[in-house]
Amino acid sequence: DAKTTQPPSMDCAEGRAANLPCNHSTISGNEYVYWYRQIHSQGPQYIIHGLKNNETNEMASLIITEDRKSSTLILPHATLRDTAVYYCIVRPYFSGGGADGLTFGKGTHLIIQP
Amino acid sequence: NAGVTQTPKFRILKIGQSMTLQCTQDMNHNYMYWYRQDPGMGLKLIYYSVGAGITDKGEVPNGYNVSRSTTEDFPLRLELAAPSQTSVYFCASSYPPTSGTYTDTQYFGPGTRLTVL
Repeated sequence: DAKTTQPPSMDCAEGRAANLPCNHSTISGNEYVYWYRQIHSQGPQYIIHGLKNNETNEMASLIITEDRKSSTLILPHATLRDTAVYYCIVRPYFSGGGADGLTFGKGTHLIIQP
Repeated sequence: NAGVTQTPKFRILKIGQSMTLQCTQDMNHNYMYWYRQDPGMGLKLIYYSVGAGITDKGEVPNGYNVSRSTTEDFPLRLELAAPSQTSVYFCASSYPPTSGTYTDTQYFGPGTRLTVL
C-alpha cells in the first residue's frame, strides 16, 4: 500500500512559488516526512525533512499540518532548473542503529513554465 | 569531495553475461545502498550495508550480489544478466543515525544505465 499520495504532475510559472502537496493520512507518530527530487536522468537529491514542525532551508520550506496527515513543499521562487520529479516519503525514526532504504512512489512531475 | 561516484555510466550486456557496477563515496559514510529504477517508476532497494563487512537484502535482491570490504566501496555484482535487469542503478550513502534518532539523509550517485539484450 502506498504511504503517500501525490498528484502526478503540476505546472508553475517561473519566478512564482511552487506548492507541492502530499497526503500521508496513515503516518505514524514516529515517522518523518522527507522530500527528494530527481532531475531528468540524474540521481535523487535530498531537499528537506520534518517531523511535526514547519521547516525551512536554503532550497525549500516544508509545511506539515497539525494532524500530520498532509504536507506541502514550497519552492519560493521557482526556476526552470526546478523542473523535476518530486518525491514525498515517510520514514520511521528509531534509536539503536540499523538502516533501511527510502520507499519511492511515482512522485509529482513539476514543470516550470517560462 | 566528489561525493558518490559510479562507474560505468552506460553498459550493454548480453543475456547470461555478468558484470560489476562500481560505487565509491568519499564522505566517510557508514551506510550505503543500491537501488534500481525502471522506466517511469520510483526507486526500489536492492541491497544495503551498515558498514564494512555487513550487508543485507532490500526489496528486490534476486539476481544480484554485493560485498563491502571497505567503508568507501560498495560494488554490485550481476550474475547471469537477464532482460528484466535492464534498468538504471543508483548507489547512495548516508551517515548512521545520531543522538538516538533516525534522521539520515541519503546522497545519490549519478547512476549506471544498464541494458540487457
